[in-house]
Amino acid sequence: DSGVTQTPKHLITATGQRVTLRCSPRSGDLSVYWYQQSLDQGLQFLIHYYNGEERAKGNILERFSAQQFPDLHSELNLSSLELGDSALYFCASSVGAVYGYTFGSGTRLTVV
Amino acid sequence: AQSVTQLGSHVSVSEGALVLLRCNYSSSVPPYLFWYVQYPNQGLQLLLKYTTGATLVKGINGFEAEFKKSETSFHLTKPSAHMSDAAEYFCAVVRNSGGSNYKLTFGKGTLLTVNP
Repeated sequence: DSGVTQTPKHLITATGQRVTLRCSPRSGDLSVYWYQQSLDQGLQFLIHYYNGEERAKGNILERFSAQQFPDLHSELNLSSLELGDSALYFCASSVGAVYGYTFGSGTRLTVV
Repeated sequence: AQSVTQLGSHVSVSEGALVLLRCNYSSSVPPYLFWYVQYPNQGLQLLLKYTTGATLVKGINGFEAEFKKSETSFHLTKPSAHMSDAAEYFCAVVRNSGGSNYKLTFGKGTLLTVNP
């Protein structure tokens, strides 16, 4: 157990639907990072939050949004889902990037 | 801007053979460098990291990496491969993403196959 908790582990949904992925960071970590991993695109950085504030955006689609709550957990919202959104979504947390990240076990999203 | 290049998307070795996974970085400042491992259907796990000090860094599961500034490299090695080492390996470098914000930039990964 890495200390980073992601739920659900698996999610199957239909095109056009909206889903919410949840991440609880390791105790004491203020930063949360979201990544998408697929066979064709590899590991893609989506977004970074620090203590409730958005700090950096990567290759995140406009259909996707995220937030970090006062208790530091984070949610990634994916809407108007397309088949191509099927992927593993990882959350990672950190006290600071120079110390490295701790990753959760991921949410596998399948869009049918 | 810092970036990472992993040479070879797929490396295959025999059990007991040397493992060498290559990583080169580009950085205008002394880098913070990391290697992560991802086993099938799992998240990424930190193997080792270089921040400052000794250039030869030892990690978990018998892996080590050497920071070579002159070659801008941070190659990962293990003297003798085990079947359980089969996984995908990612090299990463800390990158400034604007202002005082820093994040890890990952390479594209190297899939290690270990043959019996």
